Amino acid sequence: DSGVTQTPKHLITATGQRVTLRCSPRSGDLSVYWYQQSLDQGLQFLIQYYNGEERAKGNILERFSAQQFPDLHSELNLSSLELGDSALYFCASSVGAGDEQYFGPGTRLTVT
Amino acid sequence: GENVEQHPSTLSVQEGDSAVIKCTYSDSASNYFPWYKQELGKGPQLIIDIRSNVGEKKDQRIAVTLNKTAKHFSLHITETQPEDSAVYFCAANPGGSYIPTFGRGTSLIVHP
Repeated sequence: DSGVTQTPKHLITATGQRVTLRCSPRSGDLSVYWYQQSLDQGLQFLIQYYNGEERAKGNILERFSAQQFPDLHSELNLSSLELGDSALYFCASSVGAGDEQYFGPGTRLTVT
Repeated sequence: GENVEQHPSTLSVQEGDSAVIKCTYSDSASNYFPWYKQELGKGPQLIIDIRSNVGEKKDQRIAVTLNKTAKHFSLHITETQPEDSAVYFCAANPGGSYIPTFGRGTSLIVHP
């Protein structure tokens, strides 16, 4: 158990809908990262937050957004969902912006 | 940007044998190389990492080697056990960035 928690574990929704994924980092970690894992694209970095501020952005679609709250938990919002958004979404956390990352168990999103 | 190639995509060994997974990277400024193990239904777990000022690092049955000149690094697992069966990912952090670029993964199968 890495200490990173993610909810929900599974999510099934329809195209065009909007969902919110939640992540709580390990106690003491200030940095949160979001990744998407699909069979054809592998593990892709989406976005990083450090102590409430956006630190780095990867291949994140404009339909996706995220934020980190004062209590350091983070939410990833996915809107106008498409079939191709079906994937595993992982959150990771680290103490600082450049430290070892610890991954949560993931949220499996299925868009039908 | 950074590009990480990982081989083989699948590796099948007998219990007790050694397993070697190799990765190459493109950005000579990369300076941090973590390895992750992902078991079915779980998030990636950091198992070992190496920084560019070190050529080799060991942790019990696991070792990682780094050749900066050739821009490749490898994961070595000795005395493999069935519980080593998982997908292993290498990653490289491009210079100045704390965001790793991941390889496509190696599915290791250890037969009892």
